[in-house]
Amino acid sequence: QVQLVQSGAEVKRPGASVKVSCKVSGYTLTELSMHWVRQAPGQGLECLGAFDADNGETFYAQKFQGRVTMTQDLSTDTAYMELSSLRSEDTAVYYCATGQRELPVWGQGTLVTVST
Amino acid sequence: DVVMTQSPLSLPVTLGQSASISCRSGQSLVHSDGYTYLNWFHQRPGQSPRRLIYKVSKRDSGVPDRISGSGSGTDFTLKISRVEAEDVGFYYCMQGTHWPPAFGQGTKVEIK
Repeated sequence: QVQLVQSGAEVKRPGASVKVSCKVSGYTLTELSMHWVRQAPGQGLECLGAFDADNGETFYAQKFQGRVTMTQDLSTDTAYMELSSLRSEDTAVYYCATGQRELPVWGQGTLVTVST
Repeated sequence: DVVMTQSPLSLPVTLGQSASISCRSGQSLVHSDGYTYLNWFHQRPGQSPRRLIYKVSKRDSGVPDRISGSGSGTDFTLKISRVEAEDVGFYYCMQGTHWPPAFGQGTKVEIK
C-alpha cells in the first residue's frame, strides 16, 4: 500500500522560498497522481495544485499561479512542492496526497512558518 | 471555481445519537465519465485528514458501517449513526469532479 513521508518543519523569512518533499513508498511515483493541499492554523483545507499521472500534466490553482512549482524525482520516488515569495499568510501545514480525484492517502504534513 | 458549502459548521452531539452533515456544491458534481467525485474526510487535531467516503457513498476500508454517505448532483449528506467518542473532530466534503478540487469549510463535531 502507498505511504507518503514528508520532510520536516521549516521556518522562513518573508520573501523567501520553501521546498517541501514527499517520498512515496509502496508504489512508484510514475503511477501516482499527486495533490498538494495546505491548512492554515485553525482553518480549512485548500488545494495548491496537482500532478496528473494519466496525462503527465501539472495543474496549479489560479491563486498560486506563478508562485508554486511542483516537480518529481523519479529516481527517488519523491515529489516536491516549492512555494516562492512567502508571506505571513502562507504559514500553514502543507500536505501531499495521492489520487486523481479522490485523495485516499495523505502525508503526515509539513509545518511551514513564515516569520521575521 | 466550484464552491462547496457545508452545514452546520458546529455540531454538538450526544453519545449514541445520530449526526448529519450537509454539503452543497455550486454546480453538479457528475463527471463526464458518469461518476460523481464527492469525498468525505475526517480530521482529528494534529492529524492528517483521513478519507472516509468516496464517490458519494463508498466507504473506505476500516470505516464502520454506521458512517454513510448519500446524495446526488449538488446535494450530499454524511450521516453518523450511534455517535462514539472517536467520531469527534472536523469533517470536510471535497469535490474532485472539476478543477481545482474544492473543500467545504469543515464541520466540527463534538460531544455534548
